Amino acid sequence: LAKTTQPISMDSYEGQEVNITCSHNNIATNDYITWYQQFPSQGPRFIIQGYKTKVTNEVASLFIPADRKSSTLSLPRVSLSDTAVYYCLVGGPYSGGYQKVTFGIGTKLQVIP
Amino acid sequence: DTAVSQTPKYLVTQMGNDKSIKCEQNLGHDTMYWYKQDSKKFLKIMFSYNNKELIINETVPNRFSPKSPDKAHLNLHINSLELGDSAVYFCASSQDKNRHTDTQYFGPGTRLTVL
Repeated sequence: LAKTTQPISMDSYEGQEVNITCSHNNIATNDYITWYQQFPSQGPRFIIQGYKTKVTNEVASLFIPADRKSSTLSLPRVSLSDTAVYYCLVGGPYSGGYQKVTFGIGTKLQVIP
Repeated sequence: DTAVSQTPKYLVTQMGNDKSIKCEQNLGHDTMYWYKQDSKKFLKIMFSYNNKELIINETVPNRFSPKSPDKAHLNLHINSLELGDSAVYFCASSQDKNRHTDTQYFGPGTRLTVL
């Protein structure tokens, strides 16, 4: 399984763009990169997923360089409600045909008024 | 309508007791999971079932026994509870075990406290 490394915590002021980078040096060819968001006392929630280049949805953008050894989650103009833990996951199909992904400890984002 | 639901939300019990946590998903998904999130917030997969068949078992003590009566339900039974079992347990589901792009949908969690 590809191991991921991301900052333990980040602070940002409201209205700023936040970029959280995740390193995954041993990502496999079939692996996708997925980001989840977890609010206190709730289960994780899917934010965005990508394989290469750039993916954008209504919530965030995901930038993946050509070597795919890292990825950056970009949250535009954060608000207080974006305070949460953000998990970077790398995973894909393995022997036996089942999906197996591993959640790390995540990045705790604190948005400051 | 809640997509993935768990009961109970909170569970406080004594060491040595046996307890169960129930999970149900109404998304029509084929695959369900149990995760444990400890006090350090590290989220670890425990089990995964696909169409009632166990496909992932992550070195979990055999005191933990998942049971899937049908593909919409995955219950977790824990025997002889220990202090170290205190954690938040999350149930999740996804459409297909083979599609690595599948999003996992998580339940609200069950906070288990063993005294």
